[in-house]
Parts: sequence; C-alpha cells; structure tokens
Amino acid sequence: GAGVSQSPRYKVAKRGQDVALRCDPISGHVSLFWYQQALGQGPEFLTYFQNEAQLDKSGLPSDRFFAERPEGSVSTLKIQRTQQEDSAVYLCASSFGVASYEQYFGPGTRLTVT
Amino acid sequence: AQTVTQSQPEMSVQEAETVTLSCTYDTSENNYYLFWYKQPPSRQMILVIRQEAYKQQNATENRFSVNFQKAAKSFSLKISDSQLGDTAMYFCASFYQGGSEKLVFGKGTKLTVNP
Repeated sequence: GAGVSQSPRYKVAKRGQDVALRCDPISGHVSLFWYQQALGQGPEFLTYFQNEAQLDKSGLPSDRFFAERPEGSVSTLKIQRTQQEDSAVYLCASSFGVASYEQYFGPGTRLTVT
Repeated sequence: AQTVTQSQPEMSVQEAETVTLSCTYDTSENNYYLFWYKQPPSRQMILVIRQEAYKQQNATENRFSVNFQKAAKSFSLKISDSQLGDTAMYFCASFYQGGSEKLVFGKGTKLTVNP
C-alpha cells in the first residue's frame, strides 16, 4: 500500500511489560513523527526523525520511552515497564521533505495496559 | 508554548445543513500553517483543509471552507451540505515553520450528523 502503516493495530500489555510499536512510513519520506493520543484528547507530539537522526524527543514523557529509526525508514517506538497511564493510541506520521507540514498519518496502535 | 483551543467538545447537525466548528490558537510566529483534520472511528487522521497564514484568502475544499481571522487568531471550519459520512472527531492543528517540526492539536470536537 501507499500509505503509512503501523503494527500491531491493538496491543494489550500487563503492567511492567515492555512493548514495541512499529511504523512503516511512506516510501521516500524523510521525516517521521510519533504522537500519543489519550482517550478523548488530541494527539500530542512525542518525537521527530529526519532520516535516521532523532532531531526532537522533547515530547517523550519519560526515559521509559525510546524511539529509533536506524536505517531512515521503519521506526520503532519502545516503551519499557509499561504503566497504566501509557494506555493510549500511538500515531505515526511521515512527510516527504524536511520541515514539511504535510504529514500523512497511519491508523495508529491502540495500547491498553492492564 | 503554542496552544490550540477548541471550545466545543460536541456538536450535532442535521443532514444537508451547515455547521461551523470553532478554533482559536496562540502564537507569536509569523510563518505558520493551520489545519483541520478529521478522525473517524477507524482512527486514521485525514487532512480536511489547510490554510497558510500568509494568505489572506480563506481556503476552500468542496463542501469545506474556513474563516481565518488572523488578528483574532481564529480559524473556524464550515461544513456545508453535511453528510452522514462527516460524522467524526475534528481536530484543529497548527504548524510553525522554522520551529519544532510538529503539529500542535486542539482537543477536538465530536461532530454527529443526524439523518
């Protein structure tokens, strides 16, 4: 497909478990973003990559959150020792250029921590 | 801090009628963009319409148009001839060129189109 894809679509984790969420951006897109959307809220920025470089991680809520994009394409958001407040939808977006406002979103991963 | 405020948590409209969703934003920047995104239950964020701050003319996309009041920092979305498929969450968002390359979203308005 031509769009941004994310996997898994749904993830249930027990408190304390580690999870890994995957994002496949649109082929050739330089920029990749992760957002966290709590229930009933708008998405909030987590982190931003330009190719493989993580240029902004100011939105990551704690050091339990870690993101990588080692080859400048697929990205993984990892959450260690999950807690209930981590329950949210995690959205990935990509854009073609640098500093591009035209962001294309994936369908998100709904994480539920029990 | 950049903020986007949507003061209407929920709205409803009858099919074929017109509805306006409100949004205000706060910025000291000159070079920015404003957006309305639609998020249906499938969760996929879909761009509805975009407005460049340097353009005075209000953006339109088919049944969707905006009323951009730069001095008042207001950016409302008008949906004409509402259709059942317009039922969704609508988010207003801003992007500041040259700053942190992120979209800043409001909390959203849940729009229901009634038959």
